[in-house]
Amino acid sequence: NAGVTQTPKFQVLKTGQSMTLQCAQDMNHNSMYWYRQDPGMGLRLIYYSASEGTTDKGEVPNGYNVSRLNKREFSLRLESAAPSQTSVYFCASSEPDLNYFMNTEAFFGQGTRLTVV
Amino acid sequence: QKEVEQDPGPLSVPEGAIVSLNCTYSNSAFQYFMWYRQYSRKGPELLMYTYSSGNKEDGRFTAQVDKSSKYISLFIRDSQPSDSATYLCAMSAGEPGNTGKLIFGQGTTLQVKP
Repeated sequence: NAGVTQTPKFQVLKTGQSMTLQCAQDMNHNSMYWYRQDPGMGLRLIYYSASEGTTDKGEVPNGYNVSRLNKREFSLRLESAAPSQTSVYFCASSEPDLNYFMNTEAFFGQGTRLTVV
Repeated sequence: QKEVEQDPGPLSVPEGAIVSLNCTYSNSAFQYFMWYRQYSRKGPELLMYTYSSGNKEDGRFTAQVDKSSKYISLFIRDSQPSDSATYLCAMSAGEPGNTGKLIFGQGTTLQVKP
């Protein structure tokens, strides 16, 4: 069972270049998320998608765009990379219970280590 | 000020010690409290999950939530070198139309020395 798969695992970009981080989950989850992790900052939510066809901004959305391609896939795009976007990016998915407002476990991918020079 | 505050450490203890990890938060709407464990160069994995106030025990791990003080804790008994990792607290409000999005603390890096 693959769970949440992210590609690529590592990437080095030059300032101003663009790239797309790919994420796919095989657990049939409705909700998917993109977080970034920086030293001393924990995980911060960039964008999320509560269901196929919907996306919303999180805490730190500036400089990013997302696409929920289908129920399985949620991509994160950097249009013009900046050194401040050097970070480890994590994709996650979960299946919140909409009727009872209960939260459930979020499953994370292995991360993409991005360096912008 | 961040919604969730966690002492980033690092914390170093000898094998067998009792470890206490803590988070404070400011949003009184938080109802779901989680602890994730993250090994080096891996994604976080859920360790403990608690709804509202109270205690929850799972083997050597105990999670406590005190909503009146806006304070949560994770205790590790008889700590092992394999417990060396970063521990992240996470919370959510479970709002109507719950999206499941989580607010994380900064993470505490723990090293258990043999």
